[in-house]
Amino acid sequence: ILNVEQSPQSLHVQEGDSTNFTCSFPSSNFYALHWYRWETAKSPEALFVMTLNGDEKKKGRISATLNTKEGYSYLYIKGSQPEDSATYLCAANNNDMRFGAGTRLTVKP
Amino acid sequence: EAQVTQNPRYLITVTGKKLTVTCSQNMNHEYMSWYRQDPGLGLRQIYYSMNVEVTDKGDVPEGYKVSRKEKRNFPLILESPSPNQTSLYFCASSFTIAGEQYFGPGTRLTVT
Repeated sequence: ILNVEQSPQSLHVQEGDSTNFTCSFPSSNFYALHWYRWETAKSPEALFVMTLNGDEKKKGRISATLNTKEGYSYLYIKGSQPEDSATYLCAANNNDMRFGAGTRLTVKP
Repeated sequence: EAQVTQNPRYLITVTGKKLTVTCSQNMNHEYMSWYRQDPGLGLRQIYYSMNVEVTDKGDVPEGYKVSRKEKRNFPLILESPSPNQTSLYFCASSFTIAGEQYFGPGTRLTVT
């Protein structure tokens, strides 16, 4: 059974600030670590899927790293913009899929 | 357009009246999954399917059934809905177990 924890639960930053969130998961019996972005009234959208220890992925101002040995992943947003406001979900899977409760980011103009 | 569709989008029903929420994807994905989202609890997996005729329980399968007779369809069946199944339901699919998931638009179910 995978228990996925995310911190912080919520975060308020000013436009232009850089920020990061943490996702921790049991490191045994692991296929992949996923990050999703979920805007209010929409469906979650995939940001990254990482499988290997040391993986780093980047999409524009957003990047993520993975440490499978210690069981954590970081998501970084550089120069936050108001349109980055959303809930960021991480999920770990072997055959099933376990989501964390998410980090709700609010970026103030 | 590549997509996951769910129907209905909104449903209000009464306790005990059987219902089915359909899910269909047009991307030839092998892995399909159902989740429920409740405030403070995040997304919890109900059932998943790794291929046709292969289904497995997720974290919260009680009170639900699924079937995977065709690759594109993965209906969620509530044989006897109860008020504690009031929730927002998402269907999702991906090419493989570890692939990025594509989510449907969600079905908001209310059981009175």
